[in-house]
Amino acid sequence: IAGITQAPTSQILAAGRRMTLRCTQDMRHNAMYWYRQDLGLGLRLIHYSNTAGTTGKGEVPDGYSVSRANTDDFPLTLASAVPSQTSVYFCASSLRLADSYNEQFFGPGTRLTVL
Amino acid sequence: GQNIDQPTEMTATEGAIVQINCTYQTSGFNGLFWYQQHAGEAPTFLSYNVLDGLEEKGRFSSFLSRSKGYSYLLLKELQMKDSASYLCAVNDDYKLSFGAGTTVTVRA
Repeated sequence: IAGITQAPTSQILAAGRRMTLRCTQDMRHNAMYWYRQDLGLGLRLIHYSNTAGTTGKGEVPDGYSVSRANTDDFPLTLASAVPSQTSVYFCASSLRLADSYNEQFFGPGTRLTVL
Repeated sequence: GQNIDQPTEMTATEGAIVQINCTYQTSGFNGLFWYQQHAGEAPTFLSYNVLDGLEEKGRFSSFLSRSKGYSYLLLKELQMKDSASYLCAVNDDYKLSFGAGTTVTVRA
């Protein structure tokens, strides 16, 4: 693994189903993030994690949950998917959260469609 | 709250120069980033400004004026591969707030 990987690449999901998007990084970064990207709205932060064991809410957290059991993995779960959660989801990481220069590295994205 | 504005689309000719403006009003400021995103791909880092002035990096330059809440990204000697979206992002309370992005189309 080099950088950040996400799985699956794309998924079509029936409304009401539970879904977990996976994200793994091998850069030993402390901070990790989940964004959704929608046309005309740009990237919006869903949840973030400062370090293993801690998480925080971003701009659009409703309907999503995260966990950070270790440094490398940061899964995003949709407990009961709704069509408005159709989007492209990007996972990102940075060395630390509380840095002015916290360049974020992005995974390749997961395209999720909820029908 | 955050308010980050940039133009939706710009078109330019190969070899020309394009300037993408970004204005922001955020509750905090710890620096401004520009990212490039090709269609269907992940954003990739281009530049970072935390002090006023110009940062130059090859064909790309980025400018910041903190007092005016303003930045621009300058792309020189445009190439076809520069056709992409360019995202302005402000480090606000150590989390990035992104503008909606500017889609640049380079024509031959």
